[in-house]
Amino acid sequence: DSGVTQTPKHLITATGQRVTLRCSPRSGDLSVYWYQQSLDQGLQFLIQYYNGEERAKGNILERFSAQQFPDLHSELNLSSLELGDSALYFCASSLGPHGETQYFGPGTRLLVL
Amino acid sequence: QQQVKQSPQSLIVQKGGISIINCAYENTAFDYFPWYQQFPGKGPALLIAIRPDVSEKKEGRFTISFNKSAKQFSLHIMDSQPGDSATYFCAAIGFGNEKLTFGTGTRLTIIP
Repeated sequence: DSGVTQTPKHLITATGQRVTLRCSPRSGDLSVYWYQQSLDQGLQFLIQYYNGEERAKGNILERFSAQQFPDLHSELNLSSLELGDSALYFCASSLGPHGETQYFGPGTRLLVL
Repeated sequence: QQQVKQSPQSLIVQKGGISIINCAYENTAFDYFPWYQQFPGKGPALLIAIRPDVSEKKEGRFTISFNKSAKQFSLHIMDSQPGDSATYFCAAIGFGNEKLTFGTGTRLTIIP
């Protein structure tokens, strides 16, 4: 158990809808990272927050947004969902801003029908 | 742009054998190279990592070999066991660029 929690575990929704994925980092970790894992794209970095502020951005679509709250939990919002957004979404956390040692959560499996 | 290339895509090794997974990178700013292990239905877990100032790092049955001039690194699993069956990802990160860049993964199957 990495100490990173993610909810929900599974999510099924329809195209055009909006969903929110939640992540709680390990106790004491200030950085949260979001990744998308699909069969054809592998693990893709989406975005990083450090102590409430956006720190690094990867291949995140404009339809997606994230934030980190004062209690350090983070939410990833996915809107106007398309079939291609079906994937596993992982959250990871690290102690500091440099993401060398990241601890991954169990993931949220999103299925868009 | 694929900055970390990983091979093979899948690998079958007999129990007790040596599993070898290779990665190559392009960005010379990378200075930390971790390997992650992922079991079905689970998130990736850090297995072992190396910095480019050493050519080899060993932890139990797992060894990373690093060739800085060739910009290549590899994971060796000695005495492979069925419990090692998982997907392995190499990754790279550089100071000042906080995103982990992952390889495409290798599905390892250890057969009796």
